[in-house]
Amino acid sequence: NAGVTQTPKFQVLKTGQSMTLQCAQDMNHEYMSWYRQDPGMGLRLIHYSVGAGITDQGEVPNGYNVSRSTTEDFPLRLLSAAPSQTSVYFCASSLAGGSGANVLTFGAGSRLTVL
Amino acid sequence: AQKITQTQPGMFVQEKEAVTLDCTYDTSDPSYGLFWYKQPSSGEMIFLIYQGSYDQQNATEGRYSLNFQKARKSANLVISASQLGDSAMYFCAMREPVSSGSARQLTFGSGTQLTVLP
Repeated sequence: NAGVTQTPKFQVLKTGQSMTLQCAQDMNHEYMSWYRQDPGMGLRLIHYSVGAGITDQGEVPNGYNVSRSTTEDFPLRLLSAAPSQTSVYFCASSLAGGSGANVLTFGAGSRLTVL
Repeated sequence: AQKITQTQPGMFVQEKEAVTLDCTYDTSDPSYGLFWYKQPSSGEMIFLIYQGSYDQQNATEGRYSLNFQKARKSANLVISASQLGDSAMYFCAMREPVSSGSARQLTFGSGTQLTVLP
């Protein structure tokens, strides 16, 4: 059981380049989300999805796109990378229904540097 | 709007001693969930403990317990018998209520870096 798998683990981009961070989960979780982690600021929600074909914005969505064509995958696209997007990105998933105690399971993180 | 506050950027504790990491929250919703996650230097996020707003008892998970004081809007994490492996960043987080229609977002505090001294 792989859980939540993120690729790549590390990436260096130049300003203006685009790229996609991949996220896949094998737990049949309806809810998937992307967070970014910056020093001193905790984790901030970028985008989330409650099921295939449904996405919504979080706290810091600008400069990022997402799509959810399958239950398993939730890629995050950087359209035109900026130095302000240098961060560690986490994908996380959980069951959407039932108990409010459903725990978010996180991927290992992707460290992105934009030069 | 929700807000999570962790006022201790760094904490030190002697091995085998207990330590309390502070967390206060702000919400006007009666239904919410509170979580603590651990992030070791390797970077992964590890779930530790959960407390529901309607839970009567304080949550416990092994050496971790959550001191939930609803009237004071605090959800402090207590680690008993600290071990060297407990050295990590600890994050408090709150989940929006399901009734809000906004699913399962977690709002995180800024974290507390705990160092366990031998």
